[in-house]
Parts: sequence; structure tokens; C-alpha cells
Amino acid sequence: AQSVTQLGSHVSVSEGALVLLRCNYSSSVPPYLFWYVQYPNQGLQLLLKYTSAATLVKGINGFEAEFKKSETSFHLTKPSAHMSDAAEYFCAVMPAGGTSYGKLTFGQGTILTVHP
Amino acid sequence: EPEVTQTPSHQVTQMGQEVILRCVPISNHLYFYWYRQILGQKVEFLVSFYNNEISEKSEIFDDQFSVERPDGSNFTLKIRSTKLEDSAMYFCASSKTSGTSWNEQFFGPGTRLTVL
Repeated sequence: AQSVTQLGSHVSVSEGALVLLRCNYSSSVPPYLFWYVQYPNQGLQLLLKYTSAATLVKGINGFEAEFKKSETSFHLTKPSAHMSDAAEYFCAVMPAGGTSYGKLTFGQGTILTVHP
Repeated sequence: EPEVTQTPSHQVTQMGQEVILRCVPISNHLYFYWYRQILGQKVEFLVSFYNNEISEKSEIFDDQFSVERPDGSNFTLKIRSTKLEDSAMYFCASSKTSGTSWNEQFFGPGTRLTVL
């Protein structure tokens, strides 16, 4: 069984400040990990993914995330927030192989607000 | 850029009525998925579909739900007799392949279903 916990349903930062969105996972098999972003009235868009290569993963729009197996974490960061980063962010996990490949298990989402 | 489309964007129905949610996946994709998000809750996996049959389904996907690929382009989710608790945002997704190598799932913008 897999699960994802995102700490903080709402995060608010000032423009130019560091963005840190937290994600912890539980998985009985080695996972693939993802961050998705959802802008209003749009679908989920993949920001970045960890699929057992480099543990520090860079994505679109300046975001990156680090897979830490010892902490079962995959936190999303961006050094300097921009107003256009305001959106809802979802962490998700997928088992790497096995019978459930393809099925994403999502966290509850974190709404990021960016203040001028 | 190819994208997944969904219609309608918002569907209002009376309890007990049948609804069909429609999706047009990306044309060269082979795996199709439905997810849903009840307001304030996590995005949940419903079903995956490949080669004209269900690959996996969640416990949410009971006999009231069915999926179909009626032609070469559409992928539909039918709810036979809607309940109030079926009110949610329903997302369709597609990917090129699943299997042991990961392929990105591309999501549509969602259909908001409201059951009165």
C-alpha cells in the first residue's frame, strides 16, 4: 500500500522568497515520485519526477525536489517565488513496477499563495 | 501541443440519473485513466484502461461505474445511477505506455459533476 502526506494545506510566501512544499510518502516497494501543479480551471501538469535516477530532480519553472529515502521525503523547492507560481501543488507516488504501475496515489494538495 | 480534452466542463444532474463523462485522450496514447477529487479531498484513482479492458480499478469503482472506448478517440466514464456523494471533479488522463518503464500521465482539465 502507498500513501502520500503533504504537510500544510496552504502555504503563503512573499514574491522572491523561498518556496518549500513538503511531501512524505509511504511505500512498500521502491516508488516513483511526482509533483504536479494545477492552475485554476486547468488540468494537472507534471512539474518534475523522480524515477530512481538522480536524487535531486529539476523540473519546469525553476522548481526542484530531492528524494531522501532515509526521511521518506520528496520536498519541492524554488529559490525565489514568482506571482505566477500561485497554484495548487500535488505530490504523488507510483510503485516502480509490480501490478499497480500507472496508478498514481496523490497527497491532499497544497495551495501556494504568493504575495507581492 | 497535444492535450487531453474533457466534456462537459460542468455537469449538473439529479440523483438517480445516469451521466456520461467524455474524454479525448492524446492520439498516440495507449493507457487511459479516470481519477476524481471530491471537494476538499485528495485526488483518487478510479480506473485504468488498456487494450479495451480495465487494467486496474479501485474499490470506489463499483458496479455503478463503467468505462468504454466507443471509438478510436473517445474514452468515457458512465455512472449509472448517480448519488449525492458522486459529486466531484473527474479527471481523465492518458499515457503512451505503462508497464515497467514510467511514462508521464497527461491530465485533462476535469469535469465538475454536481449531483442534486
